[in-house]
Amino acid sequence: DTAVSQTPKYLVTQMGNDKSIKCEQNLGHDTMYWYKQDSKKFLKIMFSYNNKELIINETVPNRFSPKSPDKAHLNLHINSLELGDSAVYFCASSPRGDTIYFGEGSWLTVV
Amino acid sequence: AQRVTQPEKLLSVFKGAPVELKCNYSYSGSPELFWYVQYSRQRLQLLLRHISRESIKGFTADLNKGETSFHLKKPFAQEEDSAMYYCALSSYNTDKLIFGTGTRLQVFP
Repeated sequence: DTAVSQTPKYLVTQMGNDKSIKCEQNLGHDTMYWYKQDSKKFLKIMFSYNNKELIINETVPNRFSPKSPDKAHLNLHINSLELGDSAVYFCASSPRGDTIYFGEGSWLTVV
Repeated sequence: AQRVTQPEKLLSVFKGAPVELKCNYSYSGSPELFWYVQYSRQRLQLLLRHISRESIKGFTADLNKGETSFHLKKPFAQEEDSAMYYCALSSYNTDKLIFGTGTRLQVFP
Protein backbone atom coordinates (compact mmCIF):
# COMPACT_ATOMS: atom_id res chain seq x y z
CA ASP A 1 0.00 0.00 0.00
CA THR A 2 3.02 2.25 -0.55
CA ALA A 3 1.86 5.63 -1.77
CA VAL A 4 4.88 6.62 -3.88
CA SER A 5 7.14 3.77 -4.85
CA GLN A 6 10.32 3.91 -6.84
CA THR A 7 12.66 1.21 -8.10
CA PRO A 8 15.41 0.32 -7.81
CA LYS A 9 16.28 1.49 -4.34
CA TYR A 10 20.00 0.99 -4.90
CA LEU A 11 21.83 1.11 -8.20
CA VAL A 12 25.58 0.83 -8.80
CA THR A 13 26.68 1.23 -12.39
CA GLN A 14 29.66 2.18 -14.50
CA MET A 15 30.30 5.48 -16.19
CA GLY A 16 28.84 5.68 -19.65
CA ASN A 17 25.97 3.31 -18.98
CA ASP A 18 22.29 4.14 -19.47
CA LYS A 19 19.92 3.49 -16.59
CA SER A 20 16.31 4.12 -15.60
CA ILE A 21 14.57 4.70 -12.32
CA LYS A 22 10.87 3.97 -12.20
CA CYS A 23 8.25 5.71 -10.08
CA GLU A 24 4.61 4.97 -9.45
CA GLN A 25 2.06 6.64 -7.20
CA ASN A 26 -1.30 5.27 -6.16
CA LEU A 27 -2.59 8.45 -4.56
CA GLY A 28 -4.48 9.68 -7.59
CA HIS A 29 -2.37 12.84 -7.70
CA ASP A 30 -2.12 14.87 -10.86
CA THR A 31 1.43 16.07 -10.37
CA MET A 32 4.66 14.12 -10.11
CA TYR A 33 8.24 15.23 -9.61
CA TRP A 34 11.83 14.16 -9.61
CA TYR A 35 14.17 15.67 -7.03
CA LYS A 36 17.89 15.15 -6.71
CA GLN A 37 19.66 15.04 -3.36
CA ASP A 38 23.39 15.35 -3.79
CA SER A 39 26.22 14.30 -1.50
CA LYS A 40 25.91 17.53 0.44
CA LYS A 41 22.25 16.71 1.15
CA PHE A 42 21.09 19.53 -1.08
CA LEU A 43 17.65 18.89 -2.56
CA LYS A 44 16.82 20.31 -5.93
CA ILE A 45 13.87 19.84 -8.24
CA MET A 46 14.63 18.39 -11.64
CA PHE A 47 11.29 17.88 -13.34
CA SER A 48 7.59 18.15 -12.73
CA TYR A 49 4.76 16.61 -14.73
CA ASN A 50 1.07 17.37 -14.48
CA ASN A 51 -1.24 14.83 -16.10
CA LYS A 52 1.59 13.52 -18.28
CA GLU A 53 2.65 16.99 -19.40
CA LEU A 54 6.04 18.45 -18.54
CA ILE A 55 5.58 21.68 -16.61
CA ILE A 56 8.87 22.20 -14.82
CA ASN A 57 12.22 21.47 -16.36
CA GLU A 58 15.03 22.91 -14.32
CA THR A 59 18.56 23.22 -15.64
CA VAL A 60 19.32 19.55 -16.05
CA PRO A 61 21.63 17.97 -18.66
CA ASN A 62 19.91 16.53 -21.72
CA ARG A 63 21.16 13.13 -20.63
CA PHE A 64 18.26 13.12 -18.16
CA SER A 65 14.94 12.37 -19.78
CA PRO A 66 11.71 11.92 -17.83
CA LYS A 67 8.89 9.90 -19.27
CA SER A 68 5.30 9.83 -18.03
CA PRO A 69 3.23 7.12 -19.73
CA ASP A 70 0.26 8.00 -17.53
CA LYS A 71 -0.36 10.29 -14.60
CA ALA A 72 0.48 7.57 -12.08
CA HIS A 73 3.97 6.97 -13.46
CA LEU A 74 7.01 9.13 -13.97
CA ASN A 75 10.20 7.37 -14.95
CA LEU A 76 13.65 8.91 -15.12
CA HIS A 77 16.06 7.75 -17.78
CA ILE A 78 19.71 8.77 -17.64
CA ASN A 79 22.05 8.35 -20.59
CA SER A 80 25.84 8.22 -20.51
CA LEU A 81 26.09 8.28 -16.74
CA GLU A 82 28.81 10.40 -15.20
CA LEU A 83 30.45 10.29 -11.78
CA GLY A 84 28.67 13.49 -10.81
CA ASP A 85 25.31 11.84 -11.31
CA SER A 86 25.86 9.87 -8.12
CA ALA A 87 23.11 11.00 -5.79
CA VAL A 88 19.83 10.03 -4.24
CA TYR A 89 16.91 10.63 -6.55
CA PHE A 90 13.48 11.17 -5.03
CA CYS A 91 10.24 10.78 -6.85
CA ALA A 92 7.28 12.65 -5.42
CA SER A 93 3.65 13.44 -6.14
CA SER A 94 1.03 15.93 -5.05
CA PRO A 95 -2.46 17.14 -5.75
CA ARG A 96 -1.66 20.36 -7.58
CA GLY A 97 -0.40 23.07 -5.26
CA ASP A 98 -0.65 20.93 -2.15
CA THR A 99 1.66 18.93 0.08
CA ILE A 100 4.23 16.85 -1.74
CA TYR A 101 4.66 13.19 -0.88
CA PHE A 102 8.01 11.55 -1.49
CA GLY A 103 9.12 8.08 -2.43
CA GLU A 104 11.84 6.32 -0.48
CA GLY A 105 14.60 7.45 -2.77
CA SER A 106 16.90 5.67 -5.21
CA TRP A 107 20.58 5.63 -4.30
CA LEU A 108 22.57 5.86 -7.54
CA THR A 109 26.32 5.29 -7.45
CA VAL A 110 28.33 5.73 -10.62
CA VAL A 111 31.79 4.15 -10.57
CA ALA B 1 13.99 35.33 -6.22
CA GLN B 2 12.53 32.58 -4.12
CA ARG B 3 15.01 31.24 -1.63
CA VAL B 4 15.09 29.24 1.56
CA THR B 5 18.03 29.58 3.91
CA GLN B 6 18.92 27.21 6.71
CA PRO B 7 22.07 28.71 8.21
CA GLU B 8 23.08 25.72 10.32
CA LYS B 9 24.36 22.56 8.67
CA LEU B 10 24.61 20.74 11.97
CA LEU B 11 22.94 21.22 15.30
CA SER B 12 23.97 19.06 18.23
CA VAL B 13 22.13 18.98 21.52
CA PHE B 14 21.70 16.68 24.48
CA LYS B 15 18.50 14.84 25.18
CA GLY B 16 16.03 17.04 26.98
CA ALA B 17 17.52 20.29 25.70
CA PRO B 18 15.44 22.74 23.68
CA VAL B 19 15.91 22.76 19.93
CA GLU B 20 15.44 25.52 17.39
CA LEU B 21 16.18 24.87 13.72
CA LYS B 22 16.35 28.12 11.83
CA CYS B 23 14.73 28.83 8.50
CA ASN B 24 14.51 32.10 6.64
CA TYR B 25 12.93 32.65 3.30
CA SER B 26 12.67 35.23 0.58
CA TYR B 27 9.53 35.37 -1.50
CA SER B 28 7.57 38.26 -2.91
CA GLY B 29 4.11 36.76 -2.63
CA SER B 30 2.30 34.71 0.00
CA PRO B 31 4.33 31.62 0.61
CA GLU B 32 3.40 28.33 2.07
CA LEU B 33 6.08 26.96 4.37
CA PHE B 34 6.83 23.39 5.29
CA TRP B 35 9.22 21.36 7.36
CA TYR B 36 10.23 17.96 6.02
CA VAL B 37 12.25 15.40 7.96
CA GLN B 38 14.45 12.60 6.67
CA TYR B 39 15.49 9.90 9.12
CA SER B 40 18.58 7.91 8.27
CA ARG B 41 18.20 6.41 4.78
CA GLN B 42 14.45 6.83 4.76
CA ARG B 43 12.09 8.86 2.65
CA LEU B 44 11.41 12.50 3.17
CA GLN B 45 8.32 12.98 5.28
CA LEU B 46 6.24 16.02 5.88
CA LEU B 47 6.65 17.12 9.48
CA LEU B 48 4.39 20.14 9.47
CA ARG B 49 3.07 23.00 7.38
CA HIS B 50 2.39 26.48 8.58
CA ILE B 51 -1.24 26.65 7.48
CA SER B 52 -2.12 23.66 9.66
CA ARG B 53 -0.69 25.22 12.80
CA GLU B 54 -0.20 21.72 14.18
CA SER B 55 2.28 20.27 16.60
CA ILE B 56 3.80 17.05 15.31
CA LYS B 57 6.05 14.93 17.54
CA GLY B 58 6.32 17.93 19.84
CA PHE B 59 7.62 20.21 17.08
CA THR B 60 6.06 23.56 16.28
CA ALA B 61 6.87 26.29 13.81
CA ASP B 62 5.42 29.76 13.51
CA LEU B 63 5.52 31.78 10.34
CA ASN B 64 6.88 35.25 11.07
CA LYS B 65 6.26 37.34 8.00
CA GLY B 66 8.02 40.37 9.47
CA GLU B 67 11.23 38.44 9.92
CA THR B 68 10.50 36.10 6.97
CA SER B 69 11.26 33.16 9.20
CA PHE B 70 9.75 29.77 9.92
CA HIS B 71 11.90 28.34 12.68
CA LEU B 72 11.24 24.82 13.94
CA LYS B 73 11.16 24.39 17.69
CA LYS B 74 10.87 21.65 20.25
CA PRO B 75 11.16 22.25 23.98
CA PHE B 76 12.74 18.90 24.87
CA ALA B 77 14.72 17.00 22.25
CA GLN B 78 14.63 13.21 22.09
CA GLU B 79 17.26 10.88 20.63
CA GLU B 80 14.80 9.72 17.97
CA ASP B 81 14.59 13.29 16.70
CA SER B 82 18.05 12.86 15.18
CA ALA B 83 17.56 13.37 11.43
CA MET B 84 17.94 15.79 8.55
CA TYR B 85 15.40 18.60 8.58
CA TYR B 86 14.50 20.56 5.49
CA CYS B 87 12.59 23.78 5.37
CA ALA B 88 10.70 24.27 2.13
CA LEU B 89 8.69 26.98 0.45
CA SER B 90 5.91 26.86 -2.08
CA SER B 91 3.52 29.45 -3.38
CA TYR B 92 -0.15 28.60 -3.51
CA ASN B 93 -1.12 26.69 -6.66
CA THR B 94 2.41 26.14 -7.79
CA ASP B 95 4.06 22.87 -8.60
CA LYS B 96 7.43 23.40 -7.06
CA LEU B 97 8.89 23.10 -3.61
CA ILE B 98 12.05 25.02 -2.96
CA PHE B 99 14.17 23.45 -0.27
CA GLY B 100 16.74 24.84 2.06
CA THR B 101 20.05 23.02 2.29
CA GLY B 102 18.95 21.12 5.37
CA THR B 103 20.09 20.97 8.97
CA ARG B 104 21.27 17.77 10.57
CA LEU B 105 20.03 17.47 14.12
CA GLN B 106 22.01 15.21 16.42
CA VAL B 107 20.55 14.47 19.82
CA PHE B 108 23.00 12.89 22.21
CA PRO B 109 21.90 10.74 25.16
